[in-house]
Amino acid sequence: KNEVEQSPQNLTAQEGEFITINCSYSVGISALHWLQQHPGGGIVSLFMLSSGKKKHGRLIATINIQEKHSSLHITASHPRDSAVYICAALKNSGNTPLVFGKGTRLSVIA
Amino acid sequence: EPEVTQTPSHQVTQMGQEVILRCVPISNHLYFYWYRQILGQKVEFLVSFYNNEISEKSEIFDDQFSVERPDGSNFTLKIRSTKLEDSAMYFCASSESFAGELFFGEGSRLTVL
Repeated sequence: KNEVEQSPQNLTAQEGEFITINCSYSVGISALHWLQQHPGGGIVSLFMLSSGKKKHGRLIATINIQEKHSSLHITASHPRDSAVYICAALKNSGNTPLVFGKGTRLSVIA
Repeated sequence: EPEVTQTPSHQVTQMGQEVILRCVPISNHLYFYWYRQILGQKVEFLVSFYNNEISEKSEIFDDQFSVERPDGSNFTLKIRSTKLEDSAMYFCASSESFAGELFFGEGSRLTVL
C-alpha cells in the first residue's frame, strides 16, 4: 500500500468550478507539500504545511494531522489550472524523507 | 526570482554509457536533492545532500549512482553505466533548510536506448 494516497486520480471540471483534491497518508510526517506539475514536466511547489490552512490566491490547502489527511482546493477554476497536482509527505523517520503520491490529473475545460 | 536550473533538458544515451546530469541550486540553499520520475509513474526520492555529503538515499540509489558538488554552485548526478530502466525525468531540488520549501528544477529527461 502506498504511504501517500491521492484522490481522485483524474478530474475534469468546467471553468469556474470549485475543485477539491484529497491526500491521505499513513506515516508520521513533519510537513506535507502540495506540488503542481505542468504538462511539460516541470514541478512547482504550491504549499508546504504542517498544520491548519494556507491560502495563496485561488488556492487553499488544509491539513488535519489527527486524521492524516490534507486537501487542496481551487476556487473559480480556470483552464490554466490544468496540471497534475501532487501531494508529498515529509516523513519524520526512515531513509526516504519525501514520499510522493501518484498525483491527480486536473483538466479544466472552458 | 531565484531558480534551480538543470542541464541538459534532454539526453539520449546508449545503454552502458555514463551520464552526468547537472544542477545549479539556488545560491543560499543548503540542502540538495535528486528525484526521479519514470514516465507515467510517481516521483521517487533518490538522494539528499547536505554539508558536502549524502544525508539520505533511497534503495534506488545504488552503486551505479553518485552525486557530487564539485564547486560552490553545481550539484551533479552521475549514472556510471546506464540501463534501459534508468530512462526517466530526473529532477533536482534545493531548500534553505531541512524541512523548508522545495524549489525544483525543470527536470532532465534521460532516454537510454
